[in-house]
Amino acid sequence: GAVVSQHPSRVICKSGTSVKIECRSLDFQATTMFWYRQFPKQSLMLMATSNEGSKATYEQGVEKDKFLINHASLTLSTLTVTSAHPEDSSFYICSAYGFQNTEAFFGQGTRLTVV
Amino acid sequence: QKEVEQDPGPLSVPEGAIVSLNCTYSNSAFQYFMWYRQYSRKGPELLMYTYSSGNKEDGRFTAQVDKSSKYISLFIRDSQPSDSATYLCAMRYDSGYSTLTFGKGTMLLVSP
Repeated sequence: GAVVSQHPSRVICKSGTSVKIECRSLDFQATTMFWYRQFPKQSLMLMATSNEGSKATYEQGVEKDKFLINHASLTLSTLTVTSAHPEDSSFYICSAYGFQNTEAFFGQGTRLTVV
Repeated sequence: QKEVEQDPGPLSVPEGAIVSLNCTYSNSAFQYFMWYRQYSRKGPELLMYTYSSGNKEDGRFTAQVDKSSKYISLFIRDSQPSDSATYLCAMRYDSGYSTLTFGKGTMLLVSP
């Protein structure tokens, strides 16, 4: 199946700093990518839909100024957590639909710890 | 009522057992159904993908969709300790760029 690569897999940062997470589609072009957040023992919560060349669409309750999404190319979307706080510590996962826009493939996830 | 209901488990079985994992849903507009396996601290891995009602088999895995009952299942035959993971069902409305709706996931533990 299609491959989605996410980087870094783990990051620790200090409160108040910003962290950038990258999501790449390695063998296909993804005009749309999705960013999720997952708390321990919980399901994936959709944060936003990232559209290449346009603004992201955020889900209700997600602060767009805090979670900046950039989808500058057909193979790369980035999520920047700005002015991170300990409550932002979570597991962040991106996904993209594969070649025929049917199956969704996920990145490996990024575990963010804000200290 | 939540859109997708899934028993969180944990479901504990001995090695070699047949495992049945299930989800129910409330919205009859869902057309595409998926099962993902997620190991701890990893991204979900697509296991099975099914369109509309019917069965689909892939190795030890069989996915069933019963749209009339709004019920989907994943069967794992000859379960192995390496199958121990959280299994998430997911579904979507159409083949465009619609988002997925996930169940909460069922934790499966297969003991040797």
